Amino acid sequence: GAGVSQSPRYKVAKRGQDVALRCDPISGHVSLFWYQQALGQGPEFLTYFQNEAQLDKSGLPSDRFFAERPEGSVSTLKIQRTQQEDSAVYLCASSTGTSENEQFFGPGTRLTVL
Amino acid sequence: AQSVSQHNHHVILSEAASLELGCNYSYGGTVNLFWYVQYPGQHLQLLLKYFSGDPLVKGIKGFEAEFIKSKFSFNLRKPSVQWSDTAEYFCAVTRPGGGKSTFGDGTTLTVKP
Repeated sequence: GAGVSQSPRYKVAKRGQDVALRCDPISGHVSLFWYQQALGQGPEFLTYFQNEAQLDKSGLPSDRFFAERPEGSVSTLKIQRTQQEDSAVYLCASSTGTSENEQFFGPGTRLTVL
Repeated sequence: AQSVSQHNHHVILSEAASLELGCNYSYGGTVNLFWYVQYPGQHLQLLLKYFSGDPLVKGIKGFEAEFIKSKFSFNLRKPSVQWSDTAEYFCAVTRPGGGKSTFGDGTTLTVKP
């Protein structure tokens, strides 16, 4: 595909359920980022991978959040025991690797926790 | 920790008016600066970026931004807006060699035809 894809596009979960959000980056992009965007706010950094290595996970809000990129391509963001405050749009972005390069964003997954 | 402030949350202009959106950041070291735009129903996409050289950078669709280091600012400008510029605009900062970007909360621009 030409761009970053994310699935599902929409997810409704009951409080306490586990969810898994998938990101397919642009082929060949070394860096992959996850952001959380609450309504009316800008994207907030969650975590960053370079190939399969998770170089920065300082933005993950709690140990209920876990991300992986085992083969350096597709990434999954997992949220365990979801809470209402986890409701947000989760954005994935990829780039060619250096901080000077733009990040290409996916459409996001809108998570609603009831 | 670095932070980004966008002063205007919502701007309403008529077509052909000039635009300036403010962006200030808090980090004192060298930074890479970006403006992203999100048109209704679309993904975030890059408008322009600065990482070194001429502090006046030009982007797509007639947008430009000026990096003023002494003011920690990277304001976005366009001399004459069009209805199609209606969108949300985000300023972002990245440290060289770092991974994450810090975004402002965005400015919603509405251009009246």
